[in-house]
Amino acid sequence: AQKITQTQPGMFVQEKEAVTLDCTYDTSDQSYGLFWYKQPSSGEMIFLIYQGSYDEQNATEGRYSLNFQKARKSANLVISASQLGDSAMYFCAMREQNTGGFKTIFGAGTRLFVKA
Amino acid sequence: GAGVSQSPRYKVAKRGQDVALRCDPISGHVSLFWYQQALGQGPEFLTYFQNEAQLDKSGLPSDRFFAERPEGSVSTLKIQRTQQEDSAVYLCASSIGQGLIEAFFGQGTRLTVV
Repeated sequence: AQKITQTQPGMFVQEKEAVTLDCTYDTSDQSYGLFWYKQPSSGEMIFLIYQGSYDEQNATEGRYSLNFQKARKSANLVISASQLGDSAMYFCAMREQNTGGFKTIFGAGTRLFVKA
Repeated sequence: GAGVSQSPRYKVAKRGQDVALRCDPISGHVSLFWYQQALGQGPEFLTYFQNEAQLDKSGLPSDRFFAERPEGSVSTLKIQRTQQEDSAVYLCASSIGQGLIEAFFGQGTRLTVV
C-alpha cells in the first residue's frame, strides 16, 4: 500500500492566489513526522515545512502552512499569495519513529504551475 | 560551504563501469541519507548513516551498491558494474541530529549509464 499519496500530478494557480496541494499518508505508528519539499527544475530538494504527529497546532512557515488533519491522515500544503518562483515539483514525505525515524518515504509529487 | 555539497553534478558512465559519488554534508550534521530519484518520481531511500555507522542499508537495490562514511563526515556512494537501470539522480541529505527532524538536501548527482 502507498504510504504517501499525492493525487494531483499537476496543478495550476494564478499568481497571487492561494493553492492547496493534497497529501494523505498511511501509518500505524503514533509518532511520525510529515515534511514538504520543493524541487525546482535545478534539482535540489528544498525543505519547506515540518509537522510532528503530536503537534497540536498546524505548522506555518511564511507563505507556507500545513493543514494537518490527523484523524483523516492528511497533511495538505497551503501556499498563500503564489509567486512565479513557486513553480516547481512539491513532495510530501513522512518519517516514522518505529523505523528509527530516518527512513523518509516520499510521495510521487505534484507539479505546480503558477500563471502570470 | 553552508549547504550539502555533492560531486560530480553529472556523470556519464559506460555500462559495466564503476562509479563513485561524493557527498559533503553540512558540518556537524550527525545524520546522512542517500536517495535515488528516477525521472518523474519521488526520491527512494537507499541508506542512512549516523556518524560513521551505517544503521540502515535496506534500500540499496543490489550488492553492486555500497556506501561508506568512514570518518563520520564525507560519504561516498559506490556503484559497481553500472547498468542502465542505475540511471537516476542520486541525492544526499544531512540533518543535525537523529529522529523526526528536517533534513537538508544537496543538488544531487545525475548519473546516466550508456
